[in-house]
Amino acid sequence: NAGVMQNPRHLVRRRGQEARLRCSPMKGHSHVYWYRQLPEEGLKFMVYLQKENIIDESGMPKERFSAEFPKEGPSILRIQQVVRGDSAAYFCASSPMETDTQYFGPGTRLTVL
Amino acid sequence: GENVEQHPSTLSVQEGDSAVIKCTYSDSASNYFPWYKQELGKRPQLIIDIRSNVGEKKDQRIAVTLNKTAKHFSLHITETQPEDSAVYFCAAIGGSYIPTFGRGTSLIVHP
Repeated sequence: NAGVMQNPRHLVRRRGQEARLRCSPMKGHSHVYWYRQLPEEGLKFMVYLQKENIIDESGMPKERFSAEFPKEGPSILRIQQVVRGDSAAYFCASSPMETDTQYFGPGTRLTVL
Repeated sequence: GENVEQHPSTLSVQEGDSAVIKCTYSDSASNYFPWYKQELGKRPQLIIDIRSNVGEKKDQRIAVTLNKTAKHFSLHITETQPEDSAVYFCAAIGGSYIPTFGRGTSLIVHP
């Protein structure tokens, strides 16, 4: 019974490059959430997705950031033209359809040089 | 939107003492309140949660209380151990299933 999986665990990019973060939810979970965490800060909600649908993206910057959760495969958070301020830990969480308990993945630590 | 305040930001206790972390929320529609423990460099892990139809919930050394009228909830850890040292986050969730997290409490348990 694998938990939420994220890869890569660490990602280094130079300014202007693209970052792609992947999240595979727990088996049977159809809801995925992405969060961003800066050092010594809390978790900031970015986007909430179900299969093939973006339900709420109110926490995601309007430019350079996008997310998807296709019918097959993992959810992807994409950051285009990264800047140093994008350096953070990005966590995804998943939940079953009928409850609101979220389980977190191990995170991807993005460093922009 | 929802606003969650968490106090204290840092809590230092001696092994065996109790620790209490408090959170307040603003949205009366919030009805689910989870607590997460995050060790350095690790993922947040759910340790206990409470729903709005319950006033208190206990799991071994950990308990959570909820006062809906006052809009606050608290995490209680008894007989603290060094392995309890971590950052603890509270959260409040309503019908949208989008949680609002507190800023976290760094708990340090001294042996």
